[in-house]
Amino acid sequence: AQSVTQPDIHITVSEGASLELRCNYSYGATPYLFWYVQSPGQGLQLLLKYFSGDTLVQGIKGFEAEFKRSQSSFNLRKPSVHWSDAAEYFCAVGGNTGGFKTIFGAGTRLFVKA
Amino acid sequence: DAMVIQNPRYQVTQFGKPVTLSCSQTLNHNVMYWYQQKSSQAPKLLFHYYDKDFNNEADTPDNFQSRRPNTSFCFLDIRSPGLGDAAMYLCATSRSRASYEQYFGPGTRLTVT
Repeated sequence: AQSVTQPDIHITVSEGASLELRCNYSYGATPYLFWYVQSPGQGLQLLLKYFSGDTLVQGIKGFEAEFKRSQSSFNLRKPSVHWSDAAEYFCAVGGNTGGFKTIFGAGTRLFVKA
Repeated sequence: DAMVIQNPRYQVTQFGKPVTLSCSQTLNHNVMYWYQQKSSQAPKLLFHYYDKDFNNEADTPDNFQSRRPNTSFCFLDIRSPGLGDAAMYLCATSRSRASYEQYFGPGTRLTVT
Protein backbone atom coordinates (compact mmCIF):
# COMPACT_ATOMS: atom_id res chain seq x y z
CA ALA A 1 0.00 0.00 0.00
CA GLN A 2 1.09 3.53 -0.69
CA SER A 3 2.07 5.59 2.34
CA VAL A 4 4.07 8.58 3.43
CA THR A 5 5.78 8.81 6.80
CA GLN A 6 7.04 11.97 8.42
CA PRO A 7 8.73 10.69 11.56
CA ASP A 8 8.91 14.04 13.33
CA ILE A 9 5.65 15.53 14.57
CA HIS A 10 7.38 18.76 15.45
CA ILE A 11 10.87 20.22 15.25
CA THR A 12 12.35 23.32 16.86
CA VAL A 13 15.37 25.07 15.36
CA SER A 14 17.08 28.34 16.08
CA GLU A 15 16.86 31.12 13.55
CA GLY A 16 19.85 30.89 11.24
CA ALA A 17 20.39 27.19 11.88
CA SER A 18 20.08 24.54 9.22
CA LEU A 19 16.97 22.42 8.85
CA GLU A 20 16.21 18.93 7.64
CA LEU A 21 12.70 17.48 7.63
CA ARG A 22 12.43 13.78 7.01
CA CYS A 23 10.07 11.99 4.67
CA ASN A 24 9.89 8.32 3.79
CA TYR A 25 7.46 6.82 1.33
CA SER A 26 6.20 3.47 0.24
CA TYR A 27 5.07 3.29 -3.36
CA GLY A 28 4.80 0.53 -5.90
CA ALA A 29 6.09 2.48 -8.88
CA THR A 30 8.15 5.56 -9.60
CA PRO A 31 6.57 8.22 -7.44
CA TYR A 32 6.00 11.88 -7.95
CA LEU A 33 7.14 13.58 -4.74
CA PHE A 34 6.18 16.91 -3.28
CA TRP A 35 6.72 19.14 -0.29
CA TYR A 36 4.01 21.59 0.69
CA VAL A 37 4.02 24.25 3.39
CA GLN A 38 0.98 25.44 5.32
CA SER A 39 0.96 28.57 7.45
CA PRO A 40 -1.66 28.76 10.23
CA GLY A 41 -5.15 29.22 8.85
CA GLN A 42 -3.99 29.01 5.25
CA GLY A 43 -4.04 26.55 2.39
CA LEU A 44 -1.08 24.51 1.25
CA GLN A 45 1.61 26.01 -0.94
CA LEU A 46 3.89 23.89 -3.10
CA LEU A 47 7.55 24.25 -2.13
CA LEU A 48 9.07 21.84 -4.61
CA LYS A 49 8.47 18.67 -6.57
CA TYR A 50 10.36 15.73 -8.00
CA PHE A 51 9.21 13.87 -11.08
CA SER A 52 12.44 12.58 -12.62
CA GLY A 53 16.00 13.58 -13.47
CA ASP A 54 18.34 15.29 -11.04
CA THR A 55 17.65 13.90 -7.60
CA LEU A 56 18.42 17.20 -5.88
CA VAL A 57 15.60 19.64 -6.52
CA GLN A 58 15.44 23.30 -5.69
CA GLY A 59 12.28 24.97 -4.56
CA ILE A 60 10.96 28.31 -3.45
CA LYS A 61 12.02 30.18 -0.32
CA GLY A 62 15.50 28.64 -0.38
CA PHE A 63 14.36 25.05 0.20
CA GLU A 64 15.77 21.98 -1.48
CA ALA A 65 15.06 18.26 -1.29
CA GLU A 66 16.93 15.15 -2.26
CA PHE A 67 15.33 12.00 -3.64
CA LYS A 68 17.07 8.85 -2.53
CA ARG A 69 15.50 5.83 -4.16
CA SER A 70 17.57 3.32 -2.17
CA GLN A 71 16.26 4.79 1.08
CA SER A 72 12.76 5.64 -0.17
CA SER A 73 13.32 9.12 1.19
CA PHE A 74 12.70 12.67 0.09
CA ASN A 75 14.06 14.90 2.84
CA LEU A 76 13.60 18.65 2.82
CA ARG A 77 16.49 20.93 3.71
CA LYS A 78 17.24 24.57 4.20
CA PRO A 79 20.70 25.90 5.10
CA SER A 80 19.53 28.83 7.21
CA VAL A 81 16.06 29.05 8.71
CA HIS A 82 14.18 32.33 9.04
CA TRP A 83 11.48 33.03 11.63
CA SER A 84 8.95 33.22 8.79
CA ASP A 85 9.58 29.55 7.99
CA ALA A 86 7.62 28.51 11.07
CA ALA A 87 4.73 26.49 9.63
CA GLU A 88 3.47 22.96 8.99
CA TYR A 89 5.27 21.00 6.30
CA PHE A 90 3.67 18.14 4.40
CA CYS A 91 5.42 15.59 2.26
CA ALA A 92 3.25 13.99 -0.43
CA VAL A 93 3.51 11.27 -3.04
CA GLY A 94 1.46 10.97 -6.19
CA GLY A 95 1.09 8.54 -9.03
CA ASN A 96 -1.44 6.47 -10.90
CA THR A 97 -1.08 3.42 -8.71
CA GLY A 98 -4.32 3.23 -6.79
CA GLY A 99 -6.13 5.69 -9.01
CA PHE A 100 -4.39 9.02 -9.46
CA LYS A 101 -4.22 9.89 -5.80
CA THR A 102 -1.91 12.14 -3.88
CA ILE A 103 -1.11 10.81 -0.43
CA PHE A 104 -0.05 13.26 2.24
CA GLY A 105 2.10 12.60 5.26
CA ALA A 106 0.86 13.63 8.68
CA GLY A 107 2.99 16.76 8.63
CA THR A 108 5.84 18.21 10.66
CA ARG A 109 5.30 21.39 12.62
CA LEU A 110 8.38 23.63 12.51
CA PHE A 111 9.00 26.05 15.36
CA VAL A 112 11.73 28.68 15.01
CA LYS A 113 13.26 30.21 18.10
CA ALA A 114 15.09 33.52 18.17
CA ASP B 1 -2.71 36.24 -10.84
CA ALA B 2 -4.24 32.87 -11.53
CA MET B 3 -5.53 31.43 -8.33
CA VAL B 4 -7.91 29.31 -6.31
CA ILE B 5 -10.47 31.24 -4.28
CA GLN B 6 -12.61 29.91 -1.47
CA ASN B 7 -15.62 31.59 0.05
CA PRO B 8 -16.33 32.19 2.77
CA ARG B 9 -13.06 31.97 4.69
CA TYR B 10 -14.96 31.31 7.91
CA GLN B 11 -18.38 29.70 8.18
CA VAL B 12 -20.43 29.05 11.28
CA THR B 13 -23.43 26.78 11.00
CA GLN B 14 -25.78 25.08 13.41
CA PHE B 15 -25.92 21.39 14.01
CA GLY B 16 -28.02 19.84 11.25
CA LYS B 17 -28.35 23.02 9.18
CA PRO B 18 -27.21 22.55 5.57
CA VAL B 19 -24.20 24.55 4.49
CA THR B 20 -22.48 25.16 1.16
CA LEU B 21 -18.85 26.06 0.65
CA SER B 22 -17.64 27.59 -2.57
CA CYS B 23 -14.47 27.27 -4.62
CA SER B 24 -13.54 29.01 -7.84
CA GLN B 25 -10.41 28.91 -9.94
CA THR B 26 -8.90 31.03 -12.68
CA LEU B 27 -6.29 28.42 -13.65
CA ASN B 28 -8.59 26.63 -16.11
CA HIS B 29 -7.59 23.32 -14.57
CA ASN B 30 -9.54 20.17 -15.36
CA VAL B 31 -9.42 18.65 -11.88
CA MET B 32 -10.86 20.08 -8.69
CA TYR B 33 -10.50 18.45 -5.28
CA TRP B 34 -12.13 18.86 -1.89
CA TYR B 35 -10.18 17.98 1.21
CA GLN B 36 -11.16 17.97 4.87
CA GLN B 37 -8.39 18.85 7.30
CA LYS B 38 -8.76 18.58 11.04
CA SER B 39 -6.37 20.15 13.48
CA SER B 40 -2.77 18.92 13.18
CA GLN B 41 -3.72 16.29 10.60
CA ALA B 42 -3.02 15.72 6.95
CA PRO B 43 -5.65 16.78 4.43
CA LYS B 44 -8.13 13.99 3.76
CA LEU B 45 -9.49 13.72 0.24
CA LEU B 46 -13.30 13.73 0.12
CA PHE B 47 -13.82 13.67 -3.65
CA HIS B 48 -12.63 15.14 -6.88
CA TYR B 49 -13.95 16.13 -10.27
CA TYR B 50 -12.07 15.33 -13.42
CA ASP B 51 -13.86 17.69 -15.74
CA LYS B 52 -17.49 16.67 -15.11
CA ASP B 53 -16.61 13.19 -13.93
CA PHE B 54 -17.27 12.94 -10.18
CA ASN B 55 -15.05 10.64 -8.11
CA ASN B 56 -16.06 9.95 -4.53
CA GLU B 57 -13.68 8.46 -1.99
CA ALA B 58 -14.98 5.22 -0.53
CA ASP B 59 -14.95 6.52 3.04
CA THR B 60 -16.56 9.91 2.37
CA PRO B 61 -19.86 10.07 4.28
CA ASP B 62 -23.08 10.49 2.28
CA ASN B 63 -23.60 13.72 4.20
CA PHE B 64 -21.04 15.32 1.90
CA GLN B 65 -21.99 16.16 -1.66
CA SER B 66 -20.42 18.22 -4.39
CA ARG B 67 -21.41 20.05 -7.54
CA ARG B 68 -19.35 21.40 -10.39
CA PRO B 69 -21.58 23.50 -12.66
CA ASN B 70 -18.69 24.62 -14.86
CA THR B 71 -14.91 24.47 -15.13
CA SER B 72 -14.37 27.39 -12.79
CA PHE B 73 -16.64 26.60 -9.87
CA CYS B 74 -17.05 23.73 -7.46
CA PHE B 75 -19.26 23.52 -4.37
CA LEU B 76 -19.16 21.38 -1.26
CA ASP B 77 -22.55 20.74 0.32
CA ILE B 78 -22.85 19.35 3.81
CA ARG B 79 -26.44 18.26 4.16
CA SER B 80 -26.66 17.86 7.94
CA PRO B 81 -23.49 19.01 9.64
CA GLY B 82 -22.50 17.31 12.84
CA LEU B 83 -20.04 18.49 15.45
CA GLY B 84 -17.48 16.11 13.96
CA ASP B 85 -17.62 17.96 10.65
CA ALA B 86 -15.99 21.05 12.10
CA ALA B 87 -12.75 21.36 10.20
CA MET B 88 -10.84 23.30 7.58
CA TYR B 89 -12.09 22.51 4.08
CA LEU B 90 -9.53 22.91 1.33
CA CYS B 91 -10.19 23.16 -2.36
CA ALA B 92 -7.39 22.33 -4.79
CA THR B 93 -6.94 22.08 -8.54
CA SER B 94 -4.60 20.35 -10.91
CA ARG B 95 -4.15 20.54 -14.65
CA SER B 96 -4.94 16.87 -15.04
CA ARG B 97 -5.15 13.79 -12.85
CA ALA B 98 -1.72 12.74 -14.05
CA SER B 99 -0.04 16.02 -13.18
CA TYR B 100 -0.50 15.53 -9.41
CA GLU B 101 0.84 19.00 -8.67
CA GLN B 102 -2.02 20.65 -6.84
CA TYR B 103 -2.82 24.30 -6.26
CA PHE B 104 -4.68 25.00 -3.04
CA GLY B 105 -7.08 27.69 -2.00
CA PRO B 106 -6.80 29.35 1.42
CA GLY B 107 -9.47 27.10 2.91
CA THR B 108 -12.78 27.60 4.69
CA ARG B 109 -12.83 27.10 8.44
CA LEU B 110 -16.18 25.51 9.36
CA THR B 111 -17.51 25.74 12.89
CA VAL B 112 -20.59 23.75 13.92
CA THR B 113 -22.49 24.97 16.96
